[in-house]
Amino acid sequence: RKEVEQDPGPFNVPEGATVAFNCTYSNSASQSFFWYRQDCRKEPKLLMSVYSSGNEDGRFTAQLNRASQYISLLIRDSKLSDSATYLCVVTRTGNQFYFGTGTSLTVIP
Amino acid sequence: DAGVIQSPRHEVTEMGQEVTLRCKPISGHDYLFWYRQTMMRGLELLIYFNNNVPIDDSGMPEDRFSAKMPNASFSTLKIQPSEPRDSAVYFCASSPNRDQPQHFGDGTRLSIL
Repeated sequence: RKEVEQDPGPFNVPEGATVAFNCTYSNSASQSFFWYRQDCRKEPKLLMSVYSSGNEDGRFTAQLNRASQYISLLIRDSKLSDSATYLCVVTRTGNQFYFGTGTSLTVIP
Repeated sequence: DAGVIQSPRHEVTEMGQEVTLRCKPISGHDYLFWYRQTMMRGLELLIYFNNNVPIDDSGMPEDRFSAKMPNASFSTLKIQPSEPRDSAVYFCASSPNRDQPQHFGDGTRLSIL
């Protein structure tokens, strides 16, 4: 079983829609969680960290569910510029880092 | 602040040639990571260093790949001999510590003919 799994999509949504992605992780000892965004032919860039209590940054909300071992990313009022691939990252003790394979989002005018 | 700097940005070479990719991490970052990304397999961690010491190289595909970090400001990833299946985008990333997010360089787009 993979350490981190994401639905690859693609998710095609109209402008203004709300869209949510989940990312599941297999090891309950996982410690830190992040969402990255990667535009076509560019490097991954940190979108936001995911805190135990959940956190929000503008239109983006990240949540952690330790009991069910998943993190989520919610995007409200989608913009065309939100089109990208979203990668989740999970870290664990022993300096282990795991990237998901990414979820592709296209926001349609 | 300067981010992670990788060179070259693009490299095209013939199979069998030696390829050397270079990375300068962000100053003060103790961790350095090398990744490979392809359409088929996504982002794969090849190796990472902590304070210039290789910690986990289990992602290095085979003996043709090697990585070094002679000092805190420089790392290389070498492929010798190169093969067409090595064609990919290679990213270098650094982070201040284990629990902090990683910052990526622009990547090296490698094509082996």
